[in-house]
Amino acid sequence: EDQVTQSPEALRLQEGESSSLNCSYTVSGLRGLFWYRQDPGKGPEFLFTLYSAGEEKEKERLKATLTKKESFLHITAPKPEDSATYLCAVTNFNKFYFGSGTKLNVKP
Amino acid sequence: GAGVSQSPSNKVTEKGKDVELRCDPISGHTALYWYRQSLGQGLEFLIYFQGNSAPDKSGLPSDRFSAERTGGSVSTLTIQRTQQEDSAVYLCASSPDYYGYTFGSGTRLTVV
Repeated sequence: EDQVTQSPEALRLQEGESSSLNCSYTVSGLRGLFWYRQDPGKGPEFLFTLYSAGEEKEKERLKATLTKKESFLHITAPKPEDSATYLCAVTNFNKFYFGSGTKLNVKP
Repeated sequence: GAGVSQSPSNKVTEKGKDVELRCDPISGHTALYWYRQSLGQGLEFLIYFQGNSAPDKSGLPSDRFSAERTGGSVSTLTIQRTQQEDSAVYLCASSPDYYGYTFGSGTRLTVV
């Protein structure tokens, strides 16, 4: 069954405490893996696209990596403004498959 | 326009009424998706339009849900005889291809 699983469901960090979010997938024929950030009451905001195993992308305190089975979103020295739900999605050109998201709360 | 526009932003309706949700994608984007997100849940795929191809309706939860896309641009999602379980945020996304989808801010539907 094609699916995307994100873990943990929720993560509470102290400001400056680095951590990683996981996105594992069983979608066949991967053509792209996406990370989005969603703030309450808003639509998801695009962060990264990864296309092949070994690829890495960085943006400010965020770094996304991809293997054949999973992707990690590494957050280095997070700040309270990084608090949001982070969504992972995978496409095989037929459909998008979304995970349920990881709700990140960074406390000052 | 500069982004994907959805209207209305909020809709409260009585159980049993029909509602129409509108999505204006970014000009030139051939692909358009509808999703819904229930409170605390991930995104649930509803329907996908790609150019002039027949839409992928496999995610529509029941025959009360329908969607159309006129002229390859504006899309309308219609929910007939709304039920309380239809309450959710309905999100629209568009893309020029299979990458870099842009989402609208969504329509928050509350069925009372």
